[in-house]
Amino acid sequence: SQKIEQNSEALNIQEGKTATLTCNYTNYSPAYLQWYRQDPGRGPVFLLLIRENEKEKRKERLKVTFDTTLKQSLFHITASQLADSANYLCALVYTGGFKTIFGAGTRLFVKA
Amino acid sequence: DTEVTQTPKHLVMGMTNKKSLKCEQHMGHRAMYWYKQKAKKPPELMFVYSYEKLSINESVPSRFSPECPNSSLLNLHLHALQPEDSALYLCASSQGGGQGSIERGQFFGPGTRLTVL
Repeated sequence: SQKIEQNSEALNIQEGKTATLTCNYTNYSPAYLQWYRQDPGRGPVFLLLIRENEKEKRKERLKVTFDTTLKQSLFHITASQLADSANYLCALVYTGGFKTIFGAGTRLFVKA
Repeated sequence: DTEVTQTPKHLVMGMTNKKSLKCEQHMGHRAMYWYKQKAKKPPELMFVYSYEKLSINESVPSRFSPECPNSSLLNLHLHALQPEDSALYLCASSQGGGQGSIERGQFFGPGTRLTVL
């Protein structure tokens, strides 16, 4: 079965720096990979999507890369802000669009 | 209206009780989902409804029974649950399923925190 690995340890970063989060998966590559943000006790919020034939995608301060050879996606937040502190989940989406497998997320703490 | 609402926010029930979780959206989305999430774990897909028909059942025990009365509403009926079923239950919706779901992601509600005693 498909497994997703995200850094289980929290990532601590200074305000203004770039945070880089990793998502690795096993087995077959999904057609799409999404990133979500989840705050404690809340539902995830969709941030960004990247397709299997795209290398990089940007949206404001966010950048996502997708390497199907390495079976890895990197998620970057540039000029990080205190409000960026949250749990960031990657999700693999398979053809058809319904079946989505989430990683457990990486907890990001941005400090002043 | 761009939100998914879930009621109740918290629910405590005994193993012999019957209760229901409710989810509502008014974004015109035609796909709706139930997920279960335990602490520090990823959301796990339980059920997907597409155009009010059950599209995916991820081998969920029959003590969980989903229902989609119309395109805006999704219920999860609970009966004879076990303590290990205690978790955050998340409802989500997406635009039409398929490509719409992929491009814009899923919209999640705040969840119902369920405790089974």
